[in-house]
Amino acid sequence: QKEVEQDPGPLSVPEGAIVSLNCTYSNSAFQYFMWYRQYSRKGPELLMYTYSSGNKEDGRFTAQVDKSSKYISLFIRDSQPSDSATYLCAMSPNTDKLIFGTGTRLQVFP
Amino acid sequence: DTAVSQTPKYLVTQMGNDKSIKCEQNLGHDTMYWYKQDSKKFLKIMFSYNNKELIINETVPNRFSPKSPDKAHLNLHINSLELGDSAVYFCASSRTSGGWGDNEQFFGPGTRLTVL
Repeated sequence: QKEVEQDPGPLSVPEGAIVSLNCTYSNSAFQYFMWYRQYSRKGPELLMYTYSSGNKEDGRFTAQVDKSSKYISLFIRDSQPSDSATYLCAMSPNTDKLIFGTGTRLQVFP
Repeated sequence: DTAVSQTPKYLVTQMGNDKSIKCEQNLGHDTMYWYKQDSKKFLKIMFSYNNKELIINETVPNRFSPKSPDKAHLNLHINSLELGDSAVYFCASSRTSGGWGDNEQFFGPGTRLTVL
């Protein structure tokens, strides 16, 4: 069993939909939780990060962490075709490395 | 003005060959990483250097040898290439070790390696 599990998708939604992307994890030592976006043939880029539990909002994006359930989510409101990408969650127990999920491919069609 | 650059972008080679991938960052960061991303998009760390010193060495065959001549450069040499080495290799850097929270990791564009 991988430390971080993520549904690979693809997830296909119409423009304007609310998208929910999720990851589960097994290591209760994880403290930092990150979401990266990766466009096709490009490197990942950091979208948002949260520390411990709670919510964080940035424009159309909201990240949620539920440490009691070992579950994190990324919500995208009013999704746009430009949001079409692979979304990778990543976590760290405050050590020297990040553990990544396998990524969820999202397609937003006009 | 590329922050993290890698060369080459594509590499096609025969089994058994030796090849190198180069990475450079102009962000002034202390820490650099090599990741391997397989065909299912799973991104796994291979190595990390902090200020030219190796700090992470995951379970990677010793055919893979990283080298950091200075803080801004991290190269990856692969001996005796195998079919299973086919993947996209990403270089990344962060201000200090860890790369979590506001100590963001910046990724290069990747090197797509195909072993025939």
